Amino acid sequence: NAGVTQTPKFQVLKTGQSMTLQCAQDMNHNSMYWYRQDPGMGLRLIYYSASEGTTDKGEVPNGYNVSRLNKREFSLRLESAAPSQTSVYFCASSESTGPYQETQYFGPGTRLLVL
Amino acid sequence: SQQGEEDPQALSIQEGENATMNCSYKTSINNLQWYRQNSGRGLVHLILIRSNEREKHSGRLRVTLDTSKKSSSLLITASRAADTASYFCATAEYTQGGSEKLVFGKGTKLTVNP
Repeated sequence: NAGVTQTPKFQVLKTGQSMTLQCAQDMNHNSMYWYRQDPGMGLRLIYYSASEGTTDKGEVPNGYNVSRLNKREFSLRLESAAPSQTSVYFCASSESTGPYQETQYFGPGTRLLVL
Repeated sequence: SQQGEEDPQALSIQEGENATMNCSYKTSINNLQWYRQNSGRGLVHLILIRSNEREKHSGRLRVTLDTSKKSSSLLITASRAADTASYFCATAEYTQGGSEKLVFGKGTKLTVNP
C-alpha cells in the first residue's frame, strides 16, 4: 500500500516547455487534489477532482490543466511553463469532499524549477 | 476565501518543553484539521476536530477549538527533536459546486533543540 505517489520527484524546465506531473493513489479514494507550495507559504489549491470524471478549479488554476484519468490517477499539465510556476507541487487524495471534509493524504511532492 | 492563520510563524524551544501553536480563521467551519510537514516532505494529517468538539487528544497532541473566537490551538507536550517540522491548520471552505475543499494557513515552523 504505497498511498499517494508522484512522479517525477524533481524537474527542471525552460520557459515555454510543457510537462505533465503524474499522481496516483491506491486507497480507492474518490477525491484528488493538486496544490502548490511556495517558500513561506501554505498550500494553495490549483485544481481538484471531487470524483472520477469531474474536475474543478481551485484558487490558482491559471497556466495549468488537469486530467482525472481514472479513479486512481490525476495528472497536472503545464502547457507553457513560466518562471512563476517554480514551486513544489503536492498531490493529495481523500475519501470524498462531502459535508465533513475528511483527512487528506499527501504525496511526497514534485520540485519544479522553471528557468 | 477564508484561511487559517497560524501564530507564531516560527517557534524555537528546548527538548522536553511544551509547544503551543494557534490558528485563527474567518468564517464558520464544520471541522478544523492540523497537519505536519517535515522538511522536504509532504503533509501528514495529525488530528481533526469537529465544530461541536472543544478539545481532542492524540498521544502528546492536544487540540482545542473555540468557535466563538474562531480559533484553535495545537499543544505538543514533552517535545522531542523529531517534532521539528512546520505545522499547518486547515479549514474547510464550500465551493460553488457545493463540495468542500481545505484551505491551509501559512504554517508555524517549530524547531525543537536537543
